Amino acid sequence: EVQLVQSGAEVKKPGESLTISCQGSGNRFITNWIAWVRQMPGKGLEWMGMIFPDDSDTRYSPSFQGQVSMSVDKAISTAYLRWSSLKASDTAMYYCATLMGSSAWFDPWGQGTLVTVSS
Amino acid sequence: QSVLTQPPSASGTPGQRVTISCSGSTSNIGKNPVFWYQQFPGAAPKLLIYRSNQRPSGVPDRISGSKSDTSASLAISGLRSEDEADYYCAARDDRLGGPVFGGGTKLTVL
Repeated sequence: EVQLVQSGAEVKKPGESLTISCQGSGNRFITNWIAWVRQMPGKGLEWMGMIFPDDSDTRYSPSFQGQVSMSVDKAISTAYLRWSSLKASDTAMYYCATLMGSSAWFDPWGQGTLVTVSS
Repeated sequence: QSVLTQPPSASGTPGQRVTISCSGSTSNIGKNPVFWYQQFPGAAPKLLIYRSNQRPSGVPDRISGSKSDTSASLAISGLRSEDEADYYCAARDDRLGGPVFGGGTKLTVL
């Protein structure tokens, strides 16, 4: 089974760029979608988008299109989520998770990366 | 505002049965299976129910899921203090082209 380990917490200033990562173990990493999910403080879960590691096919939720970019390096089984210019409203916990096909089947999940954006 | 609608809170006493509802539409629950996730404070969500009514290994059979038309429910019987958590439903939305979540239900064991 794939296990996902995310990079550590980040504290950034508005306008800065940031890339967080999600490394998978297990040979199923490249044959399942890797999704990113945002959870703002005290709020619910929001699907941001997903990337298919084998061919880098990427789909974004309309709410996040143009706000973030997703990429993957399948040679090291790592997916990335990048912001070019952070805003205070990007402060949230970000989870990566394996997403099965055309469904809402997220399993397993990474442990989460807390991103804090503050001046 | 979430695409899927859940009550913000639910509660019960130990041993009781509680249900959490999840309401959607023909573009999501009406056409696709529902998934439920359990999240404890400070932890990542965990899959609790898949394909509307299937339990992953390790999830006790006192937890069950069902779906009818554009709604789904999660039922927890024999309520225990360790069930106190947030619960989220999710389904693929064919109009969005991806998954959508409910707003989450905070379950309190009194």
